[in-house]
Amino acid sequence: GAVVSQHPSWVICKSGTSVKIECRSLDFQATTMFWYRQFPKQSLMLMATSNEGSKATYEQGVEKDKFLINHASLTLSTLTVTSAHPEDSSFYICSASHPKGSRGSYNEQFFGPGTRLTVL
Amino acid sequence: GQQVMQIPQYQHVQEGEDFTTYCNSSTTLSNIQWYKQRPGGHPVFLIQLVKSGEVKKQKRLTFQFGEAKKNSSLHITATQTTDVGTYFCAGREYGNKLVFGAGTILRVKS
Repeated sequence: GAVVSQHPSWVICKSGTSVKIECRSLDFQATTMFWYRQFPKQSLMLMATSNEGSKATYEQGVEKDKFLINHASLTLSTLTVTSAHPEDSSFYICSASHPKGSRGSYNEQFFGPGTRLTVL
Repeated sequence: GQQVMQIPQYQHVQEGEDFTTYCNSSTTLSNIQWYKQRPGGHPVFLIQLVKSGEVKKQKRLTFQFGEAKKNSSLHITATQTTDVGTYFCAGREYGNKLVFGAGTILRVKS
């Protein structure tokens, strides 16, 4: 099946610093990737849709200047949390749609392993 | 905007008992997907339902899509300890993004 990786898997940073999270599709090209945020024991909240070669589409309430997304190639999207604060601490997960999913289902999303961000 | 409600929030069953989680959308969906997330892991795709009234089975798991394409259910027969995790439904309106339900946490007592 399609594989999506994320780096780093966890990061601890001081308040005010910026953190970059990478999301890569390892064995397929993904024109669209998605960034989610998940709080403990809660659901996935879509933050933005990352489109290769164009600007990301942000969900209502998500600050574009705070969560910078760059989809530089068909296999890489990055999320940068700028001037991070403790309330930004969360589990950030990316996903990508494979043209044909593992069970032949179009629209199946393959999730990365997630990045746990802790801001002190 | 589109909302996807999922119940129950949490269920603790004895191994061998059945388990069901339900999903309801505020709008008609083009399709609905189900994902499983193990503790400490990331969501893994289980299935996608597209047709009105569709029923699909995967071993002990049965997935249903309502006739009106606004609700769905996942039923697990004779739960096993390997079934533990959080089950999410995710609904997609026509041409729109995927919206996840809150998830149902399943715990299985052996």
